[in-house]
Amino acid sequence: KQEVTQIPAALSVPEGENLVLNCSFTDSAIYNLQWFRQDPGKGLTSLLLIQSSQREQTSGRLNASLDKSSGRSTLYIAASQPGDSATYLCAVRNSGNTPLVFGKGTRLSVIA
Amino acid sequence: DVKVTQSSRYLVKRTGEKVFLECVQDMDHENMFWYRQDPGLGLRLIYFSYDVKMKEKGDIPEGYSVSREKKERFSLILESASTNQTSMYLCASLDRTNTGELFFGEGSRLTVL
Repeated sequence: KQEVTQIPAALSVPEGENLVLNCSFTDSAIYNLQWFRQDPGKGLTSLLLIQSSQREQTSGRLNASLDKSSGRSTLYIAASQPGDSATYLCAVRNSGNTPLVFGKGTRLSVIA
Repeated sequence: DVKVTQSSRYLVKRTGEKVFLECVQDMDHENMFWYRQDPGLGLRLIYFSYDVKMKEKGDIPEGYSVSREKKERFSLILESASTNQTSMYLCASLDRTNTGELFFGEGSRLTVL
């Protein structure tokens, strides 16, 4: 059964720092991997989707990488801002028709 | 933009009441999902549906049922609400035929007294 782990559970950084959030998964035969952002009391917003054939995806200051063989993905946030403070969740899908399996998230605080 | 709309953002119900949580998506997606989210437990899948009138149990279906009479609408039903069903409920819709991306609604915070 696929398991997704995100470490650390919480992270606090000063504004302007570059940072990396980690996601690992136990079954490397994935279909795709998706990163989400969640603000307190709100739903999840999709940030980046990486297909199994891709190595990375970029959107603005965000870059997500995927290493299937090692069961890892990273979300890189450049020049962090207080508005980046949120919980970031990673989720993987093993086939086109199976539900995503979620990690428990990393709660990020960017201090001004 | 894909829009997934959950009809109620906040609900307060009493133990034993029947509760309906409604979710509508506007992109003709076949796959829809209901999750609940609790502190320390993360997101847990309750039920999902691949198409109209189809449903599949997720990891924690006990105490819940679902209805998918139309493609755009997926309803979660608590037949007899209990206090341990106090939670944030999240509906999602999957763009399976194109990007494979999952889209979420804003969530429904249910409190059962």
